[in-house]
Amino acid sequence: DAGITQSPRHKVTETGTPVTLRCHQTENHRYMYWYRQDPGHGLRLIHYSYGVKDTDKGEVSDGYSVSRSKTEDFLLTLESATSSQTSVYFCAISEGRGLASGNTIYFGEGSWLTVV
Amino acid sequence: GENVEQHPSTLSVQEGDSAVIKCTYSDSASNYFPWYKQELGKRPQLIIDIRSNVGEKKDQRIAVTLNKTAKHFSLHITETQPEDSAVYFCAASKGSKGGATNKLIFGTGTLLAVQP
Repeated sequence: DAGITQSPRHKVTETGTPVTLRCHQTENHRYMYWYRQDPGHGLRLIHYSYGVKDTDKGEVSDGYSVSRSKTEDFLLTLESATSSQTSVYFCAISEGRGLASGNTIYFGEGSWLTVV
Repeated sequence: GENVEQHPSTLSVQEGDSAVIKCTYSDSASNYFPWYKQELGKRPQLIIDIRSNVGEKKDQRIAVTLNKTAKHFSLHITETQPEDSAVYFCAASKGSKGGATNKLIFGTGTLLAVQP
C-alpha cells in the first residue's frame, strides 16, 4: 500500500465549527487530491494539488479550502461545517509523470466526518 | 467537464458466472480509464486500468475493453468468486504528458454480489 496517512480517521463535530483533515504521504508524489464519497454519488473530487502551494478546484469545492505548504502534507479545511458535509473523505496521491506512467492514483484509508 | 455514467448500480451473479460492468464518458479527450474495487469500510484499490492507445487489457480473471468511438469501456470478471463481492468504480481522466491535468472523474459505482 502507498504510504498515505489520514488524520483524524473519525470525527464528530458541530455545525458551524471549523474542521481540518490532514493527509500525509511518504512517497514524494507530486499530485495530491481530496475526494468525498457519498451514497449514490461515488467519489467526487473536492480539490487537488499539483505541487507545493499549487492547488485547483475540483467538482465540489464550495465550502472547502486546501493548503499544501510541503510536498508531503495536504490539508483540507471546512471553514464552517454543515450537515451536508457529513461524508467519508479520501485523500489520494499520484506521481503525475504523464500518460506513459505515473497516472495511477492511490487512496488513503479515509476519514469519516459527521457534522451534527 | 467530464461526466462518467456507470451501469448497473447493483449486480448479483452466481459463483463461477461472469460479471460485466459498463461505463460511458463524455469527454473525447479522456485517455486514461482505471477501475477500482472497494470493499466495505475500506479504501478504493486499483484493480486494472487501460489507456486510450489500446482496446483491451487482461489480468488473470479480469479484463477491460475500451471503445473510443462510442466512448464506453467495460470491466469483465470471469469465474466470479465470493471474494469478488465489493463495489466497483470506473473512472476517466485526461492526464497530459506533463501531468498538468491528472483528475479522475468517477462513476457512481456498482455493487457486485457473488452468491455462493
